[in-house]
Amino acid sequence: AQSVSQHNHHVILSEAASLELGCNYSYGGTVNLFWYVQYPGQHLQLLLKYFSGDPLVKGIKGFEAEFIKSKFSFNLRKPSVQWSDTAEYFCAVTPLNSGYSTLTFGKGTMLLVSP
Amino acid sequence: DVKVTQSSRYLVKRTGEKVFLECVQDMDHENMFWYRQDPGLGLRLIYFSYDVKMKEKGDIPEGYSVSREKKERFSLILESASTNQTSMYLCASSSDGENSPLHFGNGTRLTVT
Repeated sequence: AQSVSQHNHHVILSEAASLELGCNYSYGGTVNLFWYVQYPGQHLQLLLKYFSGDPLVKGIKGFEAEFIKSKFSFNLRKPSVQWSDTAEYFCAVTPLNSGYSTLTFGKGTMLLVSP
Repeated sequence: DVKVTQSSRYLVKRTGEKVFLECVQDMDHENMFWYRQDPGLGLRLIYFSYDVKMKEKGDIPEGYSVSREKKERFSLILESASTNQTSMYLCASSSDGENSPLHFGNGTRLTVT
């Protein structure tokens, strides 16, 4: 079975700082990768996903993630964070074409952006 | 826009009570899921369903059951609530289409006293 590790449980940044949230997974085969975000009081929503093709994936709100197969990593980045990016971020992985029943989530990273 | 509606935002129940958590989606999705979300543990899959009257155990099914009598509704049942089932419960749905996204409800925060 696969597993997902998110490097930081809590991250505190000032507005305009750059963001990188680490995500590593363990699985021997091809995977689909996701980043979800949960803003305070809101439902979990998809930020971006990687299924195949260009390993640099762009998502909503200026976020991007790079899939590095050799490192089993899918780190989330944003060049300049805003106060409104305060949220909890979850990395998730599922084996290719396995569907969501095998989707495994990381433990989440709480990002606090101070104005 | 897809809407996944969970009937209660907050629920407080006593130990031993039977608890029903309801979830309805309005997009005719085939697949529905129940997760629980706990601080420091992320999301863990409890049960899922790929079709009406069909159910499969997820990673942590113990102490739970589900019901899917209609395509749009997926209910999570705690037969005898216990304090360790105090948690945030998230319902989600998706269609069968390739690359179709997973849509989440707002969650039900259940407290068992």
